[in-house]
Amino acid sequence: DIQMTQSPSSLSASVGDRVTITCRASQGISDNLAWYQQKPGKVPELLIYAASALQSGVPSRFRGSGSGTDFILTISSLQPEDVATYYCQNYYSAPYTFGQGTKLEIK
Amino acid sequence: QITLKVSGPTLVKPTQTLTLTCTFSGFSLSSTGMGVGWIRQPPGKALEWLALIFWDDNKRYSPSLKTRLTITKDTSKNQVVLTMTNLDPVDTATYYCAHREPAGSWFDPWGQGILVTVSS
Repeated sequence: DIQMTQSPSSLSASVGDRVTITCRASQGISDNLAWYQQKPGKVPELLIYAASALQSGVPSRFRGSGSGTDFILTISSLQPEDVATYYCQNYYSAPYTFGQGTKLEIK
Repeated sequence: QITLKVSGPTLVKPTQTLTLTCTFSGFSLSSTGMGVGWIRQPPGKALEWLALIFWDDNKRYSPSLKTRLTITKDTSKNQVVLTMTNLDPVDTATYYCAHREPAGSWFDPWGQGILVTVSS
């Protein structure tokens, strides 16, 4: 099975900061990676698929990059509404594992 | 617009079998590439992928739960059913179903989820 490891597990940043979250796959998954945002008490929502394709309606401050085993989610200018837990997901092959999540808070 | 809704019991006793139904609209599970997946989330913990059924009735399961899970579809009713046997308190979680995109097995959108508590 492919394991997905996110770092950090949590982070705190100020409004306007650039934030990066990394996701590492235990083996190469090409660009078969998605990122989700789960706000407190809410259902997860798709942010990015194919490692870097922005889902319709997602603000352009979100950017995904990477291929193979190493991936990055970048928020270019953190906004208060970005407080959430972020998950990466491998969909290269089943089981379609998720990372353990990164909890993002505002300082 | 695609929508999904999970229905089923919210309280189950240990050793019992859980049956959850995902009723969806806005797409047909007989269309090439379509799929519906199940994901769960224990309180305060991470997402865990459980199972996925494809338009052609192919199925994929989490290896750690494979012996306990069954996923089926009823295309005429726009429903997907997940059955989990031999429930344990560690199975307490919010269970979500989600639409699988034809181009790849990412999930969008998700249903609202149902909190299932396993307790005697």
